[in-house]
Amino acid sequence: KNEVEQSPQNLTAQEGEFITINCSYSVGISALHWLQQHPGGGIVSLFMLSSGKKKHGRLIATINIQEKHSSLHITASHPRDSAVYICAVRSRGGADGLTFGKGTHLIIQP
Amino acid sequence: NAGVTQTPKFQVLKTGQSMTLQCAQDMNHNSMYWYRQDPGMGLRLIYYSASEGTTDKGEVPNGYNVSRLNKREFSLRLESAAPSQTSVYFCASSEAGNSPLHFGNGTRLTVT
Repeated sequence: KNEVEQSPQNLTAQEGEFITINCSYSVGISALHWLQQHPGGGIVSLFMLSSGKKKHGRLIATINIQEKHSSLHITASHPRDSAVYICAVRSRGGADGLTFGKGTHLIIQP
Repeated sequence: NAGVTQTPKFQVLKTGQSMTLQCAQDMNHNSMYWYRQDPGMGLRLIYYSASEGTTDKGEVPNGYNVSRLNKREFSLRLESAAPSQTSVYFCASSEAGNSPLHFGNGTRLTVT
């Protein structure tokens, strides 16, 4: 079973700061997902990646397959970025469904 | 475009009662999933359906049953609710197994 670890568990930062959230996993994967869960509970898919780097607006996701590690970066952070960010992986050759990290609770203060 | 619709949003049950959580998607997705989310734990897969007419157990299937009624709908049934099933339940869908997930808004279930 793939073990997914996220760090930090909690992060409080000031508006405008550059944010990095890390995710590591134990077994080879076919894809890694970054999700955002708003305070109201809804979950939105941000990125799905299997190699390299993806960018969407102020969000950047990178993955290093050899090191089994991914990072989610937020540039010019804003209070509306406050949410729980969840990393999830699909193991290579594994059954359908994802293994999820416990999430990183991010608060951006004005 | 509604995406993934879950009902109900909230439910309180007594131990031993039964209920069905409904999920429907309008994106013509093949794969559908039921997850539960508990404090301090990541989302865990209960059951999934890779295509219409098929269902498979996930990580925590005990105490649950599912039905993939058609391509749009995937329901989760608790036959005899237990306090350990108090959780937030999420339905999700994807075009295929290795595609981005689309989540419903969740059902907060309390079993007393």
